[in-house]
Amino acid sequence: GQNIDQPTEMTATEGAIVQINCTYQTSGFNGLFWYQQHAGEAPTFLSYNVLDGLEEKGRFSSFLSRSKGYSYLLLKELQMKDSASYLCAGRLSTDKLIFGTGTRLQVFP
Amino acid sequence: DTGVSQNPRHKITKRGQNVTFRCDPISEHNRLYWYRQTLGQGPEFLTYFQNEAQLEKSRLLSDRFSAERPKGSFSTLEIQRTEQGDSAMYLCASSPWGAGGGYEQYFGPGTRLTVT
Repeated sequence: GQNIDQPTEMTATEGAIVQINCTYQTSGFNGLFWYQQHAGEAPTFLSYNVLDGLEEKGRFSSFLSRSKGYSYLLLKELQMKDSASYLCAGRLSTDKLIFGTGTRLQVFP
Repeated sequence: DTGVSQNPRHKITKRGQNVTFRCDPISEHNRLYWYRQTLGQGPEFLTYFQNEAQLEKSRLLSDRFSAERPKGSFSTLEIQRTEQGDSAMYLCASSPWGAGGGYEQYFGPGTRLTVT
């Protein structure tokens, strides 16, 4: 079957660093997406990893290990506006996305 | 670039009624996807199109659901004989897939359906 697991909730302090982990078990895996979703809004694209390793984009970085079925999203210099749900999604060979339930991150001052 | 648009943004209907939602993808994106999201969950795949061809349908898409993309541009999702369990956010996404672009799927704002 297809399975994406990520923690349900996390909290962190403004200015800190937080790592959101995601493990996956999918057949026909073609890559791993991370999306940010504020309450009541559509998901917005953050990153897409196909190869093993770390991809950095400003304050956000994403890592993938295909052999371990593992990814993480790293958020640095946290801001209050980073409070949102972060969705991990596996892209299958058929091009559809399989999403986890999302990790709700709360950033406190 | 106006992004993916969806109409209506909100729909309240009575059980048993039919509803239709529209999605306008980013222009020149050849792939269009429909997902459904309920509170506290991630989006669930429903179906997707390459141009006007419907390539895959989820088992979640019962025979009450139908989707079209007649000219390879906008798409409609119709739900017949709505049930309370159909209440959800219906998300549309588009992708430039293979057309010299990447595989990122860009989401619209969604249509929130409430069945009473």
